Amino acid sequence: GQNIDQPTEMTATEGAIVQINCTYQTSGFNGLFWYQQHAGEAPTFLSYNVLDGLEEKGRFSSFLSRSKGYSYLLLKELQMKDSASYLCAVRDSNYQLIWGAGTKLIIKP
Amino acid sequence: ETGVTQTPRHLVMGMTNKKSLKCEQHLGHNAMYWYKQSAKKPLELMFVYNFKEQTENNSVPSRFSPECPNSSHLFLHLHTLQPEDSALYLCASSQDFQLPAYEQYFGPGTRLTVT
Repeated sequence: GQNIDQPTEMTATEGAIVQINCTYQTSGFNGLFWYQQHAGEAPTFLSYNVLDGLEEKGRFSSFLSRSKGYSYLLLKELQMKDSASYLCAVRDSNYQLIWGAGTKLIIKP
Repeated sequence: ETGVTQTPRHLVMGMTNKKSLKCEQHLGHNAMYWYKQSAKKPLELMFVYNFKEQTENNSVPSRFSPECPNSSHLFLHLHTLQPEDSALYLCASSQDFQLPAYEQYFGPGTRLTVT
């Protein structure tokens, strides 16, 4: 079966750095997405990786290793507004997005 | 963000009711999706329309019936639902279902409670 694993919840301190991991087992691979979802709101797109390596976008970076079936989202200089759920999703060989259950990130002052 | 809108935002219905959820996208996209989001569970893809044609139906019970009259509008018709159908129903759109690099844009969702 297809599976996406990510931690259920993480806690970090304002101003710090946090890394959210995602491992996947899917039927084929056509890219990996990270989304942010604040409570009661729609998921919003953060990043897309299809090749191995690091993609940097401001305070957020996303890394992919296809051979290991592994990705992480790195958030730097954490702000209170970064408190949200972070969803990892992989597009499989049928072009469907397979989603993880999300990681709830709690930022403390 | 008003690219994808959904109505109603909240819906409470009895198991014998019939109701419809509406989604509209203003992004010029050709693919539209219905997802179910339950607490602490992954997003479940229900239906996909690409260029108004249904391409996916992931074993969704027949009490959920989608309709896509054009590329900008998507409906989810509900009838004789069960309490376990209570969830957040999200609509999304993207440029094309088979273009892998394009992200999906989500609406704010309809919070459905079945009593």
